[in-house]
Amino acid sequence: EAGVAQSPRYKIIEKRQSVAFWCNPISGHATLYWYQQILGQGPKLLIQFQNNGVVDDSQLPKDRFSAERLKGVDSTLKIQPAKLEDSAVYLCASSLDPGRAEAFFGQGTRLTVV
Amino acid sequence: AQKVTQAQTEISVVEKEDVTLDCVYETRDTTYYLFWYKQPPSGELVFLIRRNSFDEQNEISGRYSWNFQKSTSSFNFTITASQVVDSAVYFCALREYGNKLVFGAGTILRVKS
Repeated sequence: EAGVAQSPRYKIIEKRQSVAFWCNPISGHATLYWYQQILGQGPKLLIQFQNNGVVDDSQLPKDRFSAERLKGVDSTLKIQPAKLEDSAVYLCASSLDPGRAEAFFGQGTRLTVV
Repeated sequence: AQKVTQAQTEISVVEKEDVTLDCVYETRDTTYYLFWYKQPPSGELVFLIRRNSFDEQNEISGRYSWNFQKSTSSFNFTITASQVVDSAVYFCALREYGNKLVFGAGTILRVKS
């Protein structure tokens, strides 16, 4: 079974530029998550989708971050404009359901903003 | 609100030693799920175990074992006879039913040969 796919693996941009990350979840997983992991910290949820609807985006900085889940499968996360403090690993994960199932993670995208 | 505390920032052991990683959680729900994940240097979070709040039985999987105690709100993880390949960051996580998955800050485990 294929795991969660993310691209790119690494990205370096200058502050105020924009960037987009892509995620393809495990087939059949209705729930998709984007997490931000700053160096030395645990992952923090940015947004959670159930199919193509948003379940939780309470910690998403909506003035600069946006996300969508096309047709309830793939998802993109965008940052525009980027700030230095956005430097982090962005992890995508998926699960069978939002209630109790474990989430499976991709390898992440390491973003460096200079 | 749900919260997970991993008080041990970093632990160093010598190969073949046993090591226990502590996890304390807070929740007001009676139905919740606890998880452990491993994050090796490659960066991917690897799922290790899920436990629901109604099942306090300890679990053993090879060299790994987990001790869940609701009375102390703890879900500790023990690695027996540690190996260098166990070196990673380990995260404990909590999900209240239907709610988001919340992670602790993680414990860095270094196993030296």
